Amino acid sequence: AQSVTQLGSHVSVSEGALVLLRCNYSSSVPPYLFWYVQYPNQGLQLLLKYTSAATLVKGINGFEAEFKKSETSFHLTKPSAHMSDAAEYFCAVRMNQAGTALIFGKGTTLSVSS
Amino acid sequence: DVKVTQSSRYLVKRTGEKVFLECVQDMDHENMFWYRQDPGLGLRLIYFSYDVKMKEKGDIPEGYSVSREKKERFSLILESASTNQTSMYLCASSPIGGGKLFFGSGTQLSVL
Repeated sequence: AQSVTQLGSHVSVSEGALVLLRCNYSSSVPPYLFWYVQYPNQGLQLLLKYTSAATLVKGINGFEAEFKKSETSFHLTKPSAHMSDAAEYFCAVRMNQAGTALIFGKGTTLSVSS
Repeated sequence: DVKVTQSSRYLVKRTGEKVFLECVQDMDHENMFWYRQDPGLGLRLIYFSYDVKMKEKGDIPEGYSVSREKKERFSLILESASTNQTSMYLCASSPIGGGKLFFGSGTQLSVL
């Protein structure tokens, strides 16, 4: 069965520092991988997705993620954190070849201090 | 923009009640989903549907059922609500072929 593991339930960084949120996946089908963000009291929105094209994927708000098959990882990064990046971040993998559902990780809460 | 609308933002019910959570999407998507979100557990898939009258169990279907009589509407039913079903419920939809999910704003259900 497909699964994702997000390492670290809470990550704290200073404004301007590098953001690194870790995600490892397990998939018996070619993985399609996603990062979603949930700002306080809002719904989930897609940050970026990997669907077997370029291994370095750029998303919204300056985030990017690199697919590394050898490490079964899809870590999310941003060179310089902003206060507005404080949110909960979820990594997800498609459930099956048809991609009819996503399996989500437990989430990582990012805190940004000034 | 795709709009996924959940009928209630907050709902308070008593144990044993039958509860209906409604979700409507306006983009003619084939796939619809119900997840529940709990602190520290992330999003867990309850049920999904890839066509009218079709449904598939997700990871935690126990205590829930669903109905999809029309393409745009996907209902989650708690047959006899229990306190451990207190949670945030998120509905989502996606076009055929899957990929990006579009989420509603969620329904915070409290079962007392």
